Amino acid sequence: KQEVTQIPAALSVPEGENLVLNCSFTDSAIYNLQWFRQDPGKGLTSLLLIQSSQREQTSGRLNASLDKSSGRSTLYIAASQPGDSATYLCAVRPQEGSGNTGKLIFGQGTTLQVKP
Amino acid sequence: EPEVTQTPSHQVTQMGQEVILRCVPISNHLYFYWYRQILGQKVEFLVSFYNNEISEKSEIFDDQFSVERPDGSNFTLKIRSTKLEDSAMYFCASSWDRSSYEQYFGPGTRLTVT
Repeated sequence: KQEVTQIPAALSVPEGENLVLNCSFTDSAIYNLQWFRQDPGKGLTSLLLIQSSQREQTSGRLNASLDKSSGRSTLYIAASQPGDSATYLCAVRPQEGSGNTGKLIFGQGTTLQVKP
Repeated sequence: EPEVTQTPSHQVTQMGQEVILRCVPISNHLYFYWYRQILGQKVEFLVSFYNNEISEKSEIFDDQFSVERPDGSNFTLKIRSTKLEDSAMYFCASSWDRSSYEQYFGPGTRLTVT
């Protein structure tokens, strides 16, 4: 059964710092991995999608990498800003043969606080 | 930019009552999903829906739950007899396909069962 884990659970950094959030998954049979941002009490905003055949994706100050064979992904945030404060979730879309229905399996998230 | 919308944003109901949560997925998407997030816990998959039928449901999605696409735009989640433990944030999501494309999430409906 696929399990997704995110470390650390919480992170507090000063503004301007570069940081890395980690995500690991137990089964490498995935179609893709998606990183989301969640503000308190709000919905999920998709940040980056990495296909299983890709190694990384970039969007602005965000860079996500994927090492499928070792079951790991990282989200790198450059020059962090107070507006980046949120919970970051990673989710994998598992390959389940003919039973693939597209569901996502989520980690518990990393709550980031960027202090001015 | 197209987005998934959900109504209501917050629903308060008494235990044992029926509730219907509504979603309007992105118009050209074909795959639809419901997830829930109990406060402080992971986002959990409930059900996926394609071609007017359920593709997969989790063990959470028991006989008290049902989904429907009553017309070409709406996608609903019904809970027949709510329990206290159904209190959660419910998210609708949609995707163009089931493998390669991003899932887009709505803002959620906060369900409070008293």
